[in-house]
Amino acid sequence: IAGITQAPTSQILAAGRRMTLRCTQDMRHNAMYWYRQDLGLGLRLIHYSNTAGTTGKGEVPDGYSVSRANTDDFPLTLASAVPSQTSVYFCASSDRTGGTDTQYFGPGTRLTVL
Amino acid sequence: GQNIDQPTEMTATEGAIVQINCTYQTSGFNGLFWYQQHAGEAPTFLSYNVLDGLEEKGRFSSFLSRSKGYSYLLLKELQMKDSASYLCAVMDSNYQLIWGAGTKLIIKP
Repeated sequence: IAGITQAPTSQILAAGRRMTLRCTQDMRHNAMYWYRQDLGLGLRLIHYSNTAGTTGKGEVPDGYSVSRANTDDFPLTLASAVPSQTSVYFCASSDRTGGTDTQYFGPGTRLTVL
Repeated sequence: GQNIDQPTEMTATEGAIVQINCTYQTSGFNGLFWYQQHAGEAPTFLSYNVLDGLEEKGRFSSFLSRSKGYSYLLLKELQMKDSASYLCAVMDSNYQLIWGAGTKLIIKP
């Protein structure tokens, strides 16, 4: 693994189903983020984690949950998917111990909820 | 509220220079980032400014004026591969990134 990986690459999901998007990084970054990107809108932060064991809500957290059991993994769960959650989801990570706190992104998951 | 404004779309000619502007109003300021995003791909980091002035990195330069809440990304010697969206983002007082909607840059031969 080099950088950040996300799985699945894409998914079509029936409304009401539960879905977990996976994110793994091997850069030992302490902070991780989940964004959604919709046409015409900027990236919007769903949840974040500044360090393993802690999480926080972003701009659009409703309908989503996260966990951060260790440094490398940051899964995003949709408990009961709705069509408005159709989007491209990006996971990112950054080193918050100093420097510029630049965020690096995974390749994204394209999710369609029908 | 917090707001990042940048043009929706710009067109330029291969070999030319283009300037993409970004204005912002945020609660606090801890740096401004530019990212490049090709269609169907993830954003990739281009530049970071926290102090006023120009940062140059090869064909790309980024400028910041904190007093004016303004930045621009300057791309020189445009190549077809520069066709992409360019995202401006500001780190606010909570150290969260606030993102603009992006500027789609179309390069014509």
